[in-house]
Amino acid sequence: GAVVSQHPSWVICKSGTSVKIECRSLDFQATTMFWYRQFPKQSLMLMATSNEGSKATYEQGVEKDKFLINHASLTLSTLTVTSAHPEDSSFYICSASPSGSKDETQYFGPGTRLLVL
Amino acid sequence: GDSVTQMEGPVTLSEEAFLTINCTYTATGYPSLFWYVQYPGEGLQLLLKATKADDKGSNKGFEATYRKETTSFHLEKGSVQVSDSAVYFCALSYNTGKLIFGQGTTLQVKP
Repeated sequence: GAVVSQHPSWVICKSGTSVKIECRSLDFQATTMFWYRQFPKQSLMLMATSNEGSKATYEQGVEKDKFLINHASLTLSTLTVTSAHPEDSSFYICSASPSGSKDETQYFGPGTRLLVL
Repeated sequence: GDSVTQMEGPVTLSEEAFLTINCTYTATGYPSLFWYVQYPGEGLQLLLKATKADDKGSNKGFEATYRKETTSFHLEKGSVQVSDSAVYFCALSYNTGKLIFGQGTTLQVKP
């Protein structure tokens, strides 16, 4: 149980285009989802906290107009990288915390690798 | 600010060897501490956690003890298997859901 999927698993796009990444909790509802970014051989850095039905909370230094987050249902959050540039190339990972969970365990998706040419 | 530092990898061991992956943290408060594992092609999975000083988290033969005096949470296993090959992440959280991760340590176990 407690599976989180991401789609696509990898994407290549041209500079200036927008890319949407989906994060789904397959067998549980998640009021809160998280989006992370990971550079090669570096740590996961939290980008934003996504709350169902409300605006996302972005970490300091993360451009909210650049990385649009929508959490329209209890099982789906999307991250859209707008007007992507080569420096946005990275590994994007989402996680979800089951609604009502007391131990705050997060379940992670397998990640989406983005390459912007 | 709060941070987590792990030993650099990759760590290469023979099967049945003893494993230690060091993790130290800097925290302004009293966080919970976690070890996550990422197997090839999969998402991070919670391996174990400890919520207060002197707590020991354990799972699948892995153990880590929350040491407040040394601000450490080292991961240990007495006898590793090839199937333990993965990337291991140490992390802390203040029960807000926000996880602060170390940079990850790759473990390679050879038969």
